[in-house]
Amino acid sequence: GAGVSQSPSNKVTEKGKDVELRCDPISGHTALYWYRQSLGQGLEFLIYFQGNSAPDKSGLPSDRFSAERTGGSVSTLTIQRTQQEDSAVYLCASSLADRGAGYGYTFGSGTRLTVV
Amino acid sequence: GIQVEQSPPDLILQEGANSTLRCNFSDSVNNLQWFHQNPWGQLINLFYIPSGTKQNGRLSATTVATERYSLLYISSSQTTDSGVYFCAAAGGTSYGKLTFGQGTILTVHP
Repeated sequence: GAGVSQSPSNKVTEKGKDVELRCDPISGHTALYWYRQSLGQGLEFLIYFQGNSAPDKSGLPSDRFSAERTGGSVSTLTIQRTQQEDSAVYLCASSLADRGAGYGYTFGSGTRLTVV
Repeated sequence: GIQVEQSPPDLILQEGANSTLRCNFSDSVNNLQWFHQNPWGQLINLFYIPSGTKQNGRLSATTVATERYSLLYISSSQTTDSGVYFCAAAGGTSYGKLTFGQGTILTVHP
């Protein structure tokens, strides 16, 4: 597609439920990133995928968070047993590569997650 | 990891004015980007600039990697330039792990 697509755009869930957030990157972009943005923490790195390499998961805040990328394209971020502190805007971005020219990120519009 | 500091935290301008936003980073970088987040929350990439100077219309950016800072220049500002400007950097083998600064909130009045 023309841009990075994220769904749903808004999600309200009850504490303790699991949620899945989806990201469709720009076609041909080999690198995909997840960040989250909250008032208190700013923009935080969560995880990134580059081609067939093992993902860099170093930003995931707990083992309740996981992500996968199928077929080098669509990615799903899963949060299990959601907590109120998980409330944030979850942003996905993609880029042509993770180094060198063409490395600028294109962000999606985000998923606003509210845990009640 | 890399620390990224931006200044000023807030900036208020009249339309037509010029401004300079600064980003200091704590270590050598191989990835530095500037973003604009508009009032609707969309993050737009402005520049990928780990070193050197680039220009795009009224915007330009310079990164002096040896002195660990980057500058974003906005000339002849317009109300549509309002929003938050973020600098983000990464270094070493963590090319894709951008650390974002806290941002500069820019308000341009007509």
